[in-house]
Amino acid sequence: TQLLEQSPQFLSIQEGENLTVYCNSSSVFSSLQWYRQEPGEGPVLLVTVVTGGEVKKLKRLTFQFGDARKDSSLHITAAQPGDTGLYLCAGVGRVGSNYKLTFGKGTLLTVNP
Amino acid sequence: DTGVSQNPRHKITKRGQNVTFRCDPISEHNRLYWYRQTLGQGPEFLTYFQNEAQLEKSRLLSDRFSAERPKGSFSTLEIQRTEQGDSAMYLCASSYGTPAEQYFGPGTRLTVT
Repeated sequence: TQLLEQSPQFLSIQEGENLTVYCNSSSVFSSLQWYRQEPGEGPVLLVTVVTGGEVKKLKRLTFQFGDARKDSSLHITAAQPGDTGLYLCAGVGRVGSNYKLTFGKGTLLTVNP
Repeated sequence: DTGVSQNPRHKITKRGQNVTFRCDPISEHNRLYWYRQTLGQGPEFLTYFQNEAQLEKSRLLSDRFSAERPKGSFSTLEIQRTEQGDSAMYLCASSYGTPAEQYFGPGTRLTVT
């Protein structure tokens, strides 16, 4: 069974602070995705990282995929209250014609004004 | 493009009753997925359709659960003889083209009393 562990589970910071959350797996995935989920809504895809060592930036968010494609990190610079939400990582594995997503439990981020 | 829609958004039912949820994917998306998310967990895969064919079912999908996608468009998920452990958010997602990029609906929150 492929498992994704995310840390920390909860994070509460003040507006303007920087933070990093982590996603670690015992297995290699073909790619890895990060989602943000707000209360009462479905997850929204932020980024897909495919190549080991890849770094992608989305405004104040920086995503990194580990060289071995088993771990990833999300760094947020100068966090804002609008960044509050549940951040989920998902490993993408191919099974036949299906691309199956295996989600971690998420990091619940609260950014206080 | 109105995105993935799910109905109802909330459902409260008594133990032992049957419930049915509906998912309308993004137009022309041929792949449709159902997930279940409980508090403090990431979404867990339940089942996958390509067009009208149900190609994969998780072992989480007990005999009380059935899903259909009769014309390859909308899908329904039925739970028979609901149990308190069925209380969760049921998420639907659809994709096309790049199959790993799944677009999630807002979910149906089921509470079994």
